[in-house]
This record gives sequence, C-alpha cells and structure tokens, in this order.
Amino acid sequence: GAGVSQSPSNKVTEKGKDVELRCDPISGHTALYWYRQSLGQGLEFLIYFQGNSAPDKSGLPSDRFSAERTGGSVSTLTIQRTQQEDSAVYLCASSLEVSAEQYFGPGTRLTVT
Amino acid sequence: KNQVEQSPQSLIILEGKNCTLQCNYTVSPFSNLRWYKQDTGRGPVSLTIMTFSENTKSNGRYTATLDADTKQSSLHITASQLSDSASYICVVSWLSGGFQKLVFGTGTRLLVSP
Repeated sequence: GAGVSQSPSNKVTEKGKDVELRCDPISGHTALYWYRQSLGQGLEFLIYFQGNSAPDKSGLPSDRFSAERTGGSVSTLTIQRTQQEDSAVYLCASSLEVSAEQYFGPGTRLTVT
Repeated sequence: KNQVEQSPQSLIILEGKNCTLQCNYTVSPFSNLRWYKQDTGRGPVSLTIMTFSENTKSNGRYTATLDADTKQSSLHITASQLSDSASYICVVSWLSGGFQKLVFGTGTRLLVSP
C-alpha cells in the first residue's frame, strides 16, 4: 500500500509569508507526528495527533506554528509570518497506534529567503 | 535532560568492510531504542527496535546491541555495500502521559566507497 506522502516536496517562500505543509498518512493509521530537521541537526518533535486531537503540542517552537488534522487522516502544518530560522526539512510520520512503529514521509524542504 | 549522542559523526569505509556505530543515551524512563537509516532526501526507515529486555536484534547485515545498564547501543554493519551509504539515527523513546516521546540523535553519516 501507499506510504506516508507529503506535499510540497520543496517550498521556497519570502520572509513574513505564511506556508502550509500537508501530510497524508498511511490509511488506517490513527497517530500522526510532525518533526523538523534543521541542517546538521537531529529530528525535533513538533506535535502529535491521536485521531483529530493533539494531546502533545509541546514541540511547537512558537505561536506562529499550528497544525490541524481532519477526518482522522490528512494533516496540515501552518507556519505564519515565516522567519529564516524556520528553514528546515519538515517530516511527517504515522503509526497504527501511539506505541507502534512510526513510518516517515519524504519530508518537505522549506527555505525562507 | 533526555539526550541521545552518537559517534562517530561521520565514517568512511571500503565496500565489503564491517563497521560499528555507537549510541549513548540519558533518556529515562526508557521504553525502547530504534535505529533508523535515512538516505539523502528521504524519510528515516526503521532498521531495528529493542526494548530494555532485549540485548541484540538483527536485520540482515545489520545487528544492533543494547546495554540498558550502561545506556549504550551499537549498530554493526557487516560486509558493507555501496547502498549502505546513508545517515544512521539512534532514537530512544520514553513514555510520558501515555504518549511515546522520541529523542533523536544527530546521526552518523556513513559513506561506503568502492
């Protein structure tokens, strides 16, 4: 079956603009996770969804970052008023349930100029 | 502070040779430890998962070990192939509020040369 997909694969935006990143999890996976990977850094947890609710938003770096998930499937990560330090690869992962193996998407490379 | 440290940062080996990557962690309470392989421009792919009661796990030419007492893990790659060139990431998970949180190492970048 299809794996986790993300779009766009690459996004270049000007500082101050808003961006939306999309994640399509594996069908049937109830848990969905967003991570950020900056150049030369390890993956950084942002937020996690169980169904449509987000029990843990502790990793969101600022109130410019928000995410939602609808229908227990697709999720959108929104970054408002982008800054250059937001430039990174944003990875999405999904798992059958919270404690199960996470499967990662290919990521969205965001560049803020 | 929960941390995962990996060494070396990068490694170059000849095709066919073996290598061992190291991971030290301070995560507590420990749930499990995973090794991921991440090819350039791709998402991480799981190689092994070990709980505290397991001290070795193999997946083909990849063998992971875990010493929960010293909080150390290693990933041994046997008879390396060019396709093994990638970043290898050690990830330790812990349970917090019913949610499995992950702490990622910064990875070891392996280059297998012909």
